[in-house]
Amino acid sequence: QQPVQSPQAVILREGEDAVINCSSSKALYSVHWYRQKHGEAPVFLMILLKGGEQKGHEKISASFNEKKQQSSLYLTASQLSYSGTYFCGTPDQGAQKLVFGQGTRLTINP
Amino acid sequence: DTEVTQTPKHLVMGMTNKKSLKCEQHMGHRAMYWYKQKAKKPPELMFVYSYEKLSINESVPSRFSPECPNSSLLNLHLHALQPEDSALYLCASSQDEAGGSYEQYFGPGTRLTVT
Repeated sequence: QQPVQSPQAVILREGEDAVINCSSSKALYSVHWYRQKHGEAPVFLMILLKGGEQKGHEKISASFNEKKQQSSLYLTASQLSYSGTYFCGTPDQGAQKLVFGQGTRLTINP
Repeated sequence: DTEVTQTPKHLVMGMTNKKSLKCEQHMGHRAMYWYKQKAKKPPELMFVYSYEKLSINESVPSRFSPECPNSSLLNLHLHALQPEDSALYLCASSQDEAGGSYEQYFGPGTRLTVT
């Protein structure tokens, strides 16, 4: 089942902060985050695992609330390079695949 | 080397043509994926290969035929496509099946147009 992301779109000025949320109706043991710039492939940002382990990006942080089946991605002091569409992905079918949320489009203006 | 390569970058084909998309990775990853992505939509999984065996087929029409000749290569054979099959086709790989603890590395994609 597809996770739900919010908001669908965000417009910020450079230096401002953003939070992108991802929620699932199913129990989660991991959440993946990817960013896709226009005309490019998705790029891995971070994995959050049950138990608090994180793997990924240095300048982007995230949280994972297992009980609420939610994850949030925190983009602080945003840079122009942060623009793109952010997707969360949650495991499905016995962890054989990821299902991506519908995406959050982030626009950073100078 | 964390690169997944795909060829061709762009492909225009008629509905009666047969063509193939190719994907290659040299990271020693054991899982490889084909996704289809329409504009402003998330990637939609088509096929998963795990240890060179097809493990997931997301009820994809038979006009799409995947092939995994070896652990580094993944092909997608196309035949008798419809205009609605026009999309960006992404290949990805991961150390093992990605639903759990392993990140996916995506190739740049093939932009397919069916006329």
